[in-house]
Amino acid sequence: DAKTTQPPSMDCAEGRAANLPCNHSTISGNEYVYWYRQIHSQGPQYIIHGLKNNETNEMASLIITEDRKSSTLILPHATLRDTAVYYCIVREYNFNKFYFGSGTKLNVKP
Amino acid sequence: NAGVTQTPKFQVLKTGQSMTLQCAQDMNHEYMSWYRQDPGMGLRLIHYSVGAGITDQGEVPNGYNVSRSTTEDFPLRLLSAAPSQTSVYFCASSDSDRPYEQYFGPGTRLTVT
Repeated sequence: DAKTTQPPSMDCAEGRAANLPCNHSTISGNEYVYWYRQIHSQGPQYIIHGLKNNETNEMASLIITEDRKSSTLILPHATLRDTAVYYCIVREYNFNKFYFGSGTKLNVKP
Repeated sequence: NAGVTQTPKFQVLKTGQSMTLQCAQDMNHEYMSWYRQDPGMGLRLIHYSVGAGITDQGEVPNGYNVSRSTTEDFPLRLLSAAPSQTSVYFCASSDSDRPYEQYFGPGTRLTVT
């Protein structure tokens, strides 16, 4: 399984874009990048995933570098409710055995 | 739909006691998983199931048993509770068409004294 590296914490001003980086230099060709977040003590919530193309949904955008060794999750207009721990996970598609790391604690400040 | 439900919400056990954490989902999902989350840490996978009658171990299976007799239910049994099992336990389910999109329950906060 590819290992991921994320900064332990980041700050972002409310209304600004939050850019959360993730390094996954050992990713293999059939592994996807998935992002989840965990707000306070709730269960994690799926955000977005991608293989090599950039992806966008109603929650966020995912930018994956051409060599696939890193990616960035973008929250275009962060709100206080986006304060959470964000997890970057690299796994094959049809395999639900997820391993969550420590993630990045995003603090959105007014 | 209630989604994923877990009972109890809170539990205190003495060392050596056994108990079962309940998890149920009403979305007809094939995949279900149990995770534990220690304070300040990420989630770690305990056991998972890809369908009724099929279970497998995750990252930290020791001290826990699971079974999956129905699609809806996936109970987690603590055989002989230890203080090291003090944690928050999350159950999750996902559809086989979108296995990565896991839906999590609210968690069970377990303290072992």
